[in-house]
Amino acid sequence: QSALTQPASVSGSPGQSITISCTGTSSDVGGYNYVSWYQQHPGKAPKLMIYDVSNRPSGVSNRFSGSKSGNTASLTISGLQAEDEADYYCSSYTSSSTFVVFGGGTKLTVL
Amino acid sequence: QVQLVQSGAEVKKPGSSVKVSCKASGGTFSSYAISWVRQAPGQGLEWMGRIIPILGIANYAQKFQGRVTITADKSTSTAYMELSSLRSEDTAVYYCAREVMQQLVWRFVDYWGQGTLVTVSS
Repeated sequence: QSALTQPASVSGSPGQSITISCTGTSSDVGGYNYVSWYQQHPGKAPKLMIYDVSNRPSGVSNRFSGSKSGNTASLTISGLQAEDEADYYCSSYTSSSTFVVFGGGTKLTVL
Repeated sequence: QVQLVQSGAEVKKPGSSVKVSCKASGGTFSSYAISWVRQAPGQGLEWMGRIIPILGIANYAQKFQGRVTITADKSTSTAYMELSSLRSEDTAVYYCAREVMQQLVWRFVDYWGQGTLVTVSS
């Protein structure tokens, strides 16, 4: 069982928007602004999409955005495109002995 | 351009150890931490630990304490992850990644190695 809870799957049609949630506790997501999101295509290494809750690295499309409310962080992808189909993982620093926690991952299907 | 290049795939017997290397180029090796993250087949990402080369400090996830050792050689900009007492459940792709910190606290990882498949089988 992962420390951060994500839905196993989400889906959307091209052009639509989807949101992936990432629920933790006050010891991780709720207590620090160090939530990050990663995109992973099959057989590839993960790619950083969002850091510090809502910041986009250079080169990442502005269709990707992040936010946080309480113990839940969210990744929103607008204007869905076929190439967005991938697995998405959230991560956070945690004050527990685990130090860093990941979510279980969400498979995004573009219909 | 920052690159992390990992050593090749390994096949190990249960009970043995494996050591994976991660050579960094294109950035200032000592200014960041190097984290190790693994992914079992069909499963999610799992943080194992990290090394802060400039300080020589390593932190480990509680799950791997006593079984994993992460080191770094600043002279060659290379980090190493050694996992001992291997069991079949350790079969996974092991990634190194450059970690950005804030006062020694994890913020995120921005560059990843290509991954190293470690297969544990008798």
